[in-house]
Amino acid sequence: EVRLVESGGGLVQPGGSLRLSCEASGFTVSSKYMSWVRQAPGKGLEWVSIIWAGGITKYADSVKGRFTISRDNSKNTLDLQMNSLRVEDTGVYYCARDVDNTNFKEVWGQGTLVTVSP
Amino acid sequence: DIQMTQSPSSLSASVGDRVTLTCRASQGIGSRLAWYQQKPESAPKSLIYDASTLHSGVPSRFSGSGSGTDFTLTISSLQPEDFGTYYCQQSISYPITFGQGTRLEIK
Repeated sequence: EVRLVESGGGLVQPGGSLRLSCEASGFTVSSKYMSWVRQAPGKGLEWVSIIWAGGITKYADSVKGRFTISRDNSKNTLDLQMNSLRVEDTGVYYCARDVDNTNFKEVWGQGTLVTVSP
Repeated sequence: DIQMTQSPSSLSASVGDRVTLTCRASQGIGSRLAWYQQKPESAPKSLIYDASTLHSGVPSRFSGSGSGTDFTLTISSLQPEDFGTYYCQQSISYPITFGQGTRLEIK
């Protein structure tokens, strides 16, 4: 069964750092396009970042230079290192697997909550 | 960036109704459009990709159509479990962008 489980969320002060992890089962993370999508409280979905199977990475302008997406092939995880966090980064962060190399999300994790507050 | 605009923003319908949701892109995106359903306190669920292809396990009452800038998601016979917020998403260029969502309520 294909499954994604996020972890690493929590409460952090503005300017702080947090590292999210998404453990995959049923497939190999390095073989797929993998994404992070977030949702601020009461708001819609916002794409954050993607890593292609070949390792190319893309970021939303709102996180570029502060967030880094990566994979740990030994653990079969997708990670998101978040630095210089801002209050507006607060929300639920979902990892997602794409359909082949299409940018269409097909499998989602349950999400992990990040709260940035003084 | 490509802007995705959904209408209506909210909708109330009865079980058995035919429901149509609309998504418009600010520029042509071919068929590079997906639809997702999200229920409160839950992760999104993938319904349709490539404008009209149903993900495995999605009921056949859901269908998608359109190309270019105008797209629709149709539920042929609304069921009680279809409540939630529906989002469209373009996949043709970065940044990937979502519509603001249509909230569907069952009367």
